[in-house]
Amino acid sequence: DQQVKQNSPSLSVQEGRISILNCDYTNSMFDYFLWYKKYPAEGPTFLISISSIKDKNEDGRFTVFLNKSAKHLSLHIVPSQPGDSAVYFCAASANQAGTALIFGKGTTLSVSS
Amino acid sequence: KAGVTQTPRYLIKTRGQQVTLSCSPISGHRSVSWYQQTPGQGLQFLFEYFSETQRNKGNFPGRFSGRQFSNSRSEMNVSTLELGDSALYLCASSLWGPDEKLFFGSGTQLSVL
Repeated sequence: DQQVKQNSPSLSVQEGRISILNCDYTNSMFDYFLWYKKYPAEGPTFLISISSIKDKNEDGRFTVFLNKSAKHLSLHIVPSQPGDSAVYFCAASANQAGTALIFGKGTTLSVSS
Repeated sequence: KAGVTQTPRYLIKTRGQQVTLSCSPISGHRSVSWYQQTPGQGLQFLFEYFSETQRNKGNFPGRFSGRQFSNSRSEMNVSTLELGDSALYLCASSLWGPDEKLFFGSGTQLSVL
């Protein structure tokens, strides 16, 4: 049973436009959420995170929104750039020592120029 | 500061063989986690080690095992390889635990023929 779901396997966006990647979760114990970006032949790299005490966190072109009641989070990239083309993974954890991050299956973002 | 280093980058094995993968975490990081990534799947948690002790384990068969040394370096072993074990194996390190921001290596691509 998937606790973290990224229902869109792929997303195509034009350069300069907004990219919105979505993630849903089922475990109400999750209180920390992260987004990772992965290029081919490389390991995932951390992008941005959000704690459940917040509903928004910004870092440059990247903003993550958290809707706890809907158990939904989204990553907004504005403006999108061709270098943003990668696989984006959503991950979540519960506040229990040693509990692993649970990852979604990823969304492949393609930004065309 | 050097990142997470995984060796080897690529491995080709045949069914029934065993394999050992190595991971050197970021200096000062004491937690090492291992993940398996297969096409169409997210990152699936294998296990986590902290101070030479396995703290957490995912839902993988006993053929998958690991260990951590006193210098925090970690190895994972897969015995009696099956075709379905073909995957990218990622190691990640963090300061204290697998539920915080993880720093990933580039992975070991294992192909089982």
